Amino acid sequence: DGGITQSPKYLFRKEGQNVTLSCEQNLNHDAMYWYRQDPGQGLRLIYYSQIVNDFQKGDIAEGYSVSREKKESFPLTVTSAQKNPTAFYLCASSDPTGVSTEAFFGQGTRLTVV
Amino acid sequence: AQSVAQPEDQVNVAEGNPLTVKCTYSVSGNPYLFWYVQYPNRGLQFLLKYITGDNLVKGSYGFEAEFNKSQTSFHLKKPSALVSDSALYFCAVRVYGNNRLAFGKGNQVVVIP
Repeated sequence: DGGITQSPKYLFRKEGQNVTLSCEQNLNHDAMYWYRQDPGQGLRLIYYSQIVNDFQKGDIAEGYSVSREKKESFPLTVTSAQKNPTAFYLCASSDPTGVSTEAFFGQGTRLTVV
Repeated sequence: AQSVAQPEDQVNVAEGNPLTVKCTYSVSGNPYLFWYVQYPNRGLQFLLKYITGDNLVKGSYGFEAEFNKSQTSFHLKKPSALVSDSALYFCAVRVYGNNRLAFGKGNQVVVIP
């Protein structure tokens, strides 16, 4: 089946630790995105990538890092510099030059700092 | 930079009544507009989009939306709401030639039986 897979679904982190969220897609999409969702604040863009080996900061990139070494993969690292990392994280991909253009989303990872 | 506003936090509607969820946008250039729905603890599901052409677009589950360039709006509508339509709805926009995709804050829709 084609789609986007985020893992793990639930993740617990101790304060001061870095943690990496996985996002893999087999849709052959060029663009990939990471969003953070908090109650009442909608989806806020953390980073996005338009092509392999390229990525741009979104609105709330501080305390996060990404890489795009392969077209299929766009992992997000939540570093210890992120002061309030507890949130629901969503990964998406799209083919902006294609017919569809809409973004497809994974099922999300809920990160909790303990 | 592009942005989206969804002015109402929550929309309450009786089952069988028309449902409207409002969205306005701000962009420099031609907008691509999208509506998504989210159920609890899940990812977003695509409902419909406006790229070009007819201002009235039809999507999944009986939803439709009307693009109004002069009012910079893209309101989501459904003629007869179902209890199962209760969910969180997001409007999103990007501009032709720019892959940055911006979302609104979302609207919680509650359909009352």
